[in-house]
Amino acid sequence: QKEVEQNSGPLSVPEGAIASLNCTYSDRGSQSFFWYRQYSGKSPELIMFIYSNGDKEDGRFTAQLNKASQYVSLLIRDSQPSDSATYLCAVAGNNRKLIWGLGTSLGVNP
Amino acid sequence: GAGVSQSPSNKVTEKGKDVELRCDPISGHTALYWYRQSLGQGLEFLIYFQGNSAPDKSGLPSDRFSAERTGGSVSTLTIQRTQQEDSAVYLCASSLVGTGFNQPQHFGDGTRLSIL
Repeated sequence: QKEVEQNSGPLSVPEGAIASLNCTYSDRGSQSFFWYRQYSGKSPELIMFIYSNGDKEDGRFTAQLNKASQYVSLLIRDSQPSDSATYLCAVAGNNRKLIWGLGTSLGVNP
Repeated sequence: GAGVSQSPSNKVTEKGKDVELRCDPISGHTALYWYRQSLGQGLEFLIYFQGNSAPDKSGLPSDRFSAERTGGSVSTLTIQRTQQEDSAVYLCASSLVGTGFNQPQHFGDGTRLSIL
């Protein structure tokens, strides 16, 4: 089992819909969780981070963390074509390097 | 404020040559990371610097790779005797130092390295 797993996609949603991106992790001691967006040919860009169970909202983005089930998700409301990118999940435990998923490719269709 | 700055943005060189890649982190960020990303692949950790502590070199793929960080700021990644499999985008990130690795990392635009 990979340490951080993401569905590679592609995930396709219509413009205006909610996109749901999921990430599972194997280290139960993980404490810090990050979502990055990476456009083709560009570097990763931080979208959100979350440390505590529950939801964290920032504009159209909501991160959801469930440590008991070892998953973290990213919801994108009112998806726009400009949201089309690869979304990377990264997870860290105390004193452990950040472990990166391979990313989920999202396409938002006008 | 200024973000992470990397140079050059692109580098094309012949197999066997040495290359140096530079990273200037965000001011005040004492943690600095180097990653490599091959086409269509995930991020591969290379090396981590934190303040004056000894760097974590556990991700360096061979002894042809080395990195240094002078004055706790600018870092240089050096690849000696380059091989075609070294072709990739080399990404630098920096962050504040918190508990463990709980501080978000911020990336530069990367250096695209092509070995002919």
